[in-house]
Amino acid sequence: GAGVSQSPRYKVAKRGQDVALRCDPISGHVSLFWYQQALGQGPEFLTYFQNEAQLDKSGLPSDRFFAERPEGSVSTLKIQRTQQEDSAVYLCASSAIAGGPYEQYFGPGTRLTVT
Amino acid sequence: TQLLEQSPQFLSIQEGENLTVYCNSSSVFSSLQWYRQEPGEGPVLLVTVVTGGEVKKLKRLTFQFGDARKDSSLHITAAQPGDTGLYLCAGGSSTTSGTYKYIFGTGTRLKVLA
Repeated sequence: GAGVSQSPRYKVAKRGQDVALRCDPISGHVSLFWYQQALGQGPEFLTYFQNEAQLDKSGLPSDRFFAERPEGSVSTLKIQRTQQEDSAVYLCASSAIAGGPYEQYFGPGTRLTVT
Repeated sequence: TQLLEQSPQFLSIQEGENLTVYCNSSSVFSSLQWYRQEPGEGPVLLVTVVTGGEVKKLKRLTFQFGDARKDSSLHITAAQPGDTGLYLCAGGSSTTSGTYKYIFGTGTRLKVLA
């Protein structure tokens, strides 16, 4: 069955460029999460969508980070004017329910390297 | 700020040995999850525990949620090379905005040698 997919898997950006990372959640999943994971560390929460509504964006590190899920399915995380500290793996996860506890299913991540 | 500290940070053991990984916090969580992550992949959920003192077993893995719901442990019996990976705990709780969020621990990297 289709799991969570993310594209691109790898992205190299020059400092100052804008990037867009895509997440295709499991079909029908209500909740969608974005996380940032530094090498060897645990994922850090960035933002949460329930259908198309962005209910929690408390983890976005700066106003250069923007996420959307306009039709309640595919989501895009956009980073403007990338900086070296943005280099990380960006993980997307989806869950069938809103509220918790929930099972979240992760995609393989997008590894972003800012040079 | 809720923090989840895992110990040890790194663990390298021989096949057949037993091990325990700890996940500690000063915060109370309403649920606790354990994940395993392999290189180039996202974390995969192993278990969710929701009751203080709860013990769950999954084949050779035993998970325990502390009585006060602030800590948890993962015990692996007779480790195998296939157990190699990054083990993550995640504590869940409701937020002030009415959503539910998981905070991940610092991770334990396990290597099982054949």
